[in-house]
Amino acid sequence: KQEVTQIPAALSVPEGENLVLNCSFTDSAIYNLQWFRQDPGKGLTSLLLIQSSQREQTSGRLNASLDKSSGRSTLYIAASQPGDSATYLCAVTPRSGANSKLTFGKGITLSVRP
Amino acid sequence: GAGVSQSPSNKVTEKGKDVELRCDPISGHTALYWYRQSLGQGLEFLIYFQGNSAPDKSGLPSDRFSAERTGGSVSTLTIQRTQQEDSAVYLCASSFHHNEQFFGPGTRLTVL
Repeated sequence: KQEVTQIPAALSVPEGENLVLNCSFTDSAIYNLQWFRQDPGKGLTSLLLIQSSQREQTSGRLNASLDKSSGRSTLYIAASQPGDSATYLCAVTPRSGANSKLTFGKGITLSVRP
Repeated sequence: GAGVSQSPSNKVTEKGKDVELRCDPISGHTALYWYRQSLGQGLEFLIYFQGNSAPDKSGLPSDRFSAERTGGSVSTLTIQRTQQEDSAVYLCASSFHHNEQFFGPGTRLTVL
């Protein structure tokens, strides 16, 4: 059974700092990995999708990397801003079968202090 | 374009009542998913629809939960005889085949 872990559960950093959020998964047989952002009381916003054949994806100040063999992904946020404060979740889709249901980590709650 | 929409945004019900939650996926998306987010449990998969294939119901927690997807578009999640442990945020997502999933804003269900 796939398990996704995100540690630490919470992180507080000063504005302007570059930071890395970690995600690990136990089964490397994934189809893709997705990073989401969730603001309090809101739904999930997709940030980046990495296919299993890719090593990284970039969008603005965000860069996500994938090392499938070691079961790890990182989300790099450059020059963090208070508006980046939110919960960040990673999720994986299994490679096998027709079901592309996501298995989620419990998320990292990020607070960026002005 | 329009994203995934869900209704109602909030639902308060009494224990034992039935509730229906609605999801309108992004037009043209072939796959539709229901997830549940509750304190301490994180986000968990409930059910998945892909085209005309039989749905994957493996995540439904009990037979009180059921879902339909009519005409390959709108989906309804029904919870019968609600219990307090059903209180959670129910999230719907859609995707084009196995690609990026886009989520709706969720329905917050509170069972008193």
